[in-house]
Amino acid sequence: DGGITQSPKYLFRKEGQNVTLSCEQNLNHDAMYWYRQDPGQGLRLIYYSQIVNDFQKGDIAEGYSVSREKKESFPLTVTSAQKNPTAFYLCASSISGRSYNEQFFGPGTRLTVL
Amino acid sequence: AQSVTQLDSQVPVFEEAPVELRCNYSSSVSVYLFWYVQYPNQGLQLLLKYLSGSTLVKGINGFEAEFNKSQTSFHLRKPSVHISDTAEYFCAVSDNNAGNMLTFGGGTRLMVKP
Repeated sequence: DGGITQSPKYLFRKEGQNVTLSCEQNLNHDAMYWYRQDPGQGLRLIYYSQIVNDFQKGDIAEGYSVSREKKESFPLTVTSAQKNPTAFYLCASSISGRSYNEQFFGPGTRLTVL
Repeated sequence: AQSVTQLDSQVPVFEEAPVELRCNYSSSVSVYLFWYVQYPNQGLQLLLKYLSGSTLVKGINGFEAEFNKSQTSFHLRKPSVHISDTAEYFCAVSDNNAGNMLTFGGGTRLMVKP
């Protein structure tokens, strides 16, 4: 089955720790995205990548970092500089180059800072 | 710049009643519009999309939406809801200036009561 996987489903972090969220897709999509979702709010874009070895900051990139070394993988690191990282994180992918292509979403990772 | 407004943060409705979830957008160019559904602790799933052509779009699970260019709206409707429709619903917009980027509304929580 083609799709997007995210791991882990739940993640707990201590203050001052960096943590990395995994996102893998086997849809052969060029574009990948990371969103943050807080209770009662919509999705806010953290980072996106249109092609391997290239990525751009979204609306709330401070305190986060990403890499795109392989087409199918787009890991997100939440650094200690992110002051309020507790949230639900969603990864998505899409066919690149056309605005009418919908994004496909993974199941999400819920990060809690202890 | 694009923006999306979902006018109701919560919509309570009784089972088998009709429902309308409202979405208004702003964009200076032709748009592509999407409705996604999110069940608790899951990712987003595409319900339907408007790209061009007929303004009435049918999606999965009996949902439909109507694109109204003059009112810049894309309201989602279902004639008879089920308990299983209880979820968060997100409206999103893209256009030819946005590349693959989606702008999401704040979401509407549909609560179906027995």
